[in-house]
Amino acid sequence: ILNVEQSPQSLHVQEGDSTNFTCSFPSSNFYALHWYRWETAKSPEALFVMTLNGDEKKKGRISATLNTKEGYSYLYIKGSQPEDSATYLCASGSNDYKLSFGAGTTVTVRA
Amino acid sequence: NAGVTQTPKFQVLKTGQSMTLQCAQDMNHNSMYWYRQDPGMGLRLIYYSASEGTTDKGEVPNGYNVSRLNKREFSLRLESAAPSQTSVYFCASSEAGTRSNQPQHFGDGTRLSIL
Repeated sequence: ILNVEQSPQSLHVQEGDSTNFTCSFPSSNFYALHWYRWETAKSPEALFVMTLNGDEKKKGRISATLNTKEGYSYLYIKGSQPEDSATYLCASGSNDYKLSFGAGTTVTVRA
Repeated sequence: NAGVTQTPKFQVLKTGQSMTLQCAQDMNHNSMYWYRQDPGMGLRLIYYSASEGTTDKGEVPNGYNVSRLNKREFSLRLESAAPSQTSVYFCASSEAGTRSNQPQHFGDGTRLSIL
């Protein structure tokens, strides 16, 4: 069981501002790091899967970086919009099919 | 394209009753998973099936059983429901890929209350 921690637990951001938050995970036995976006009343939706140290992925205004040596990943939202309001989950996978999820960072974008 | 379909969406049970949660995916994925989600906690893996014909325990398997009926369907059974099993249950699927490097696709969840 991997101990995946996300911080902060929640944050509020003004529309148009940029923000970022952290996922930390054990660096030993690391295999993959996932980010999911989870809107209220919907199911989690995959954003990124990263496997290599130094990986950077981008999808529209959302991007993520990965540092496997120190065991952390950042998710960035540039120019936040109300539709970015959601809970963002990260999950770490080791050398099997299982993922360990963090508790999530809930982002609220204020218009 | 339905993706991952879970039934039922809501259920209320009495302590000691049994119930099966159904999950089906139409993406031809090899791997399927059952999670539970409780307030303030991340998704916790109950059981998973890496491929048709195999099932393995996850982080919190006690009180549950699973059946991988075929490639499409993966069911979760509560034999004797307990109040501690009140939760939201999510089914997910993924391509086999190489271990955990494939994104998982989630159903809409089943909200289960045990009285």
